Amino acid sequence: ETGVTQSPTHLIKTRGQQVTLRCSSQSGHNTVSWYQQALGQGPQFIFQYYREEENGRGNFPPRFSGLQFPNYSSELNVNALELDDSALYLCASSYSGSRSYNEQFFGPGTRLTVL
Amino acid sequence: SQQGEEDPQALSIQEGENATMNCSYKTSINNLQWYRQNSGRGLVHLILIRSNEREKHSGRLRVTLDTSKKSSSLLITASRAADTASYFCATTFTGGGNKLTFGTGTQLKVEL
Repeated sequence: ETGVTQSPTHLIKTRGQQVTLRCSSQSGHNTVSWYQQALGQGPQFIFQYYREEENGRGNFPPRFSGLQFPNYSSELNVNALELDDSALYLCASSYSGSRSYNEQFFGPGTRLTVL
Repeated sequence: SQQGEEDPQALSIQEGENATMNCSYKTSINNLQWYRQNSGRGLVHLILIRSNEREKHSGRLRVTLDTSKKSSSLLITASRAADTASYFCATTFTGGGNKLTFGTGTQLKVEL
């Protein structure tokens, strides 16, 4: 088990609502990435936060937003939920140094169902 | 999307046999990583191979990388029922920072 935790484990929302998912990164890590994994697919990169700033974004609309806090934990917010947002949301933490990228450690994920 | 392809999509073998999974990708990479996922839960990092490496071993795992063919393979030797899971390759590519681009995955079932 990694030291990355996510909450909640499962969540059911209705279309149009807003949701906040949380991630606690592993001790010593300064980078958090969020991925969306639809059923039967590989994870898709949403965005990454490094030292509290967004540091890269995938092909996701602006209603997907995030935050990273001084303790390097992170939130993923999704507004105006759509049925297709139903997925497993994974957070991964890593340590990024100057031009060095290291292994990412994944949390157990949050299963979001949008009805 | 720069998602790679994995082959086969599903693989069923007997315990003790070897399992080989292949991954192809589209762009120049910095490194390629293999992950395991059990029953739709979190991903477990298995092994990382850098673009200047050709082969790497870790326990029962052997990974090869052919950058000229933009492909990699994962070999699991002497498989066990506990190896039953989905396996994904993921790449970081030049100019992409630490963003992981995942393949479509191979579902491995190891039967007793």
